[in-house]
Amino acid sequence: EAQVTQNPRYLITVTGKKLTVTCSQNMNHEYMSWYRQDPGLGLRQIYYSMNVEVTDKGDVPEGYKVSRKEKRNFPLILESPSPNQTSLYFCASSSYRDRGIYGYTFGSGTRLTVV
Amino acid sequence: AQTVTQSQPEMSVQEAETVTLSCTYDTSESNYYLFWYKQPPSRQMILVIRQEAYKQQNATENRFSVNFQKAAKSFSLKISDSQLGDTAMYFCAFTLFEGGATNKLIFGTGTLLAVQP
Repeated sequence: EAQVTQNPRYLITVTGKKLTVTCSQNMNHEYMSWYRQDPGLGLRQIYYSMNVEVTDKGDVPEGYKVSRKEKRNFPLILESPSPNQTSLYFCASSSYRDRGIYGYTFGSGTRLTVV
Repeated sequence: AQTVTQSQPEMSVQEAETVTLSCTYDTSESNYYLFWYKQPPSRQMILVIRQEAYKQQNATENRFSVNFQKAAKSFSLKISDSQLGDTAMYFCAFTLFEGGATNKLIFGTGTLLAVQP
């Protein structure tokens, strides 16, 4: 089954404790991206990657890191989480050529709470 | 910069009735894609319908259809014969045809639709 697998689904952590949210896709998509969803703000892009070893900042990158060492994986790293990073996070992927047909495929989301 | 606006934070409709969700966007580009995504309480993001800007014909997927007005930069979603399972947050989204360096999907703030029995 074609999918984006995102883990964990829920995470509660304390301020300053490094964490990683994993994202993996099995569709050989070039493009992967991280979004955060907050009430009244919709989804905002954090980081994106056009291909292996190619990453760039989105609209709200402060406090986050990413890496793209393999085409299928795109982990999101919070080096020192703070309460304002409490949010719902989504990983998404797409084929550049086919995104107009199939859109973007999303993971099931990670609900992160930083206390 | 491209923006997407959904001016209806919440809407309600009776089961079996028809409802229209509004979306406007702003861009200076002429070729782009528009999408409607559904997010039920399970929070999964589900593609409902898509539209290519270079196609004049409005997209239709079963009970879901769009009214795409390119000159007005409007992309509304019509849900016919509303069902309880349509209760969800609906997001309008936009991406450029020539994504280039960003290939970014830009979202509106969402409309929470409640279908009443």
